[in-house]
Amino acid sequence: DIQMTQSPSSLSASVGDRVTITCRASQSISSYLNWYQQKPGKAPNLLIYAATSLQSGVPSRFSGSGSGTDFTLTISSLQPEDFASYFCQQSYTTPRAFGPGTKVDIK
Amino acid sequence: QVQLQESGPGLVKPSQTLSLTCTVSGGSISSGSYYWSWIRQPAGKGLEWIGRIYTSGSTNYNPSLKSRLTMSVDTSKNQFSVNLSSVTAADTAVYYCASESSTVTGRALDYWGQGTLVTVSS
Repeated sequence: DIQMTQSPSSLSASVGDRVTITCRASQSISSYLNWYQQKPGKAPNLLIYAATSLQSGVPSRFSGSGSGTDFTLTISSLQPEDFASYFCQQSYTTPRAFGPGTKVDIK
Repeated sequence: QVQLQESGPGLVKPSQTLSLTCTVSGGSISSGSYYWSWIRQPAGKGLEWIGRIYTSGSTNYNPSLKSRLTMSVDTSKNQFSVNLSSVTAADTAVYYCASESSTVTGRALDYWGQGTLVTVSS
């Protein structure tokens, strides 16, 4: 099975900051990497699919990069509504697997 | 736009079977464009992929749960279901149903239900 790791596990940032979250797969997953945002008490929401494609309706300050085993989610200018947890997920093979998550909170 | 809604008991006794149903609206479960998935999340923890089912009934299960897991689809009701047997406290979690697109979003989970909390306790 493919294992996913994320770093950092949490971070504190201010509104307007550029934020970068890293996700690593235990083997190559090509570009089959997705990013989700989850707010407390809510279901996850798809932000980025296929490593770099922005889901419809998601603000352009979110972007994704990477391929193979190393991937990055970037928020170019953090907004108040972006304080949440972020999860990566591989969709290269089954069983699908999620990263452990990164919690972004207010500095 | 596809909408999903989980339903089922919120409390299950240890050793019994957890049964949940997801009702799909805004689209046909038989469309062939989606795999229908289950994910769970213990309180304060990360997301665990449980498995998925295609409209044909073909399934993929998480190996860690496979021996206790059964999924089914009812196209007449536009629903799919999960049964998890021999539950323990470790199965207490919020359970989500979701759709995995086989076309538009490159196999991402693009629509989610709101989630339902299932507690395993006597």
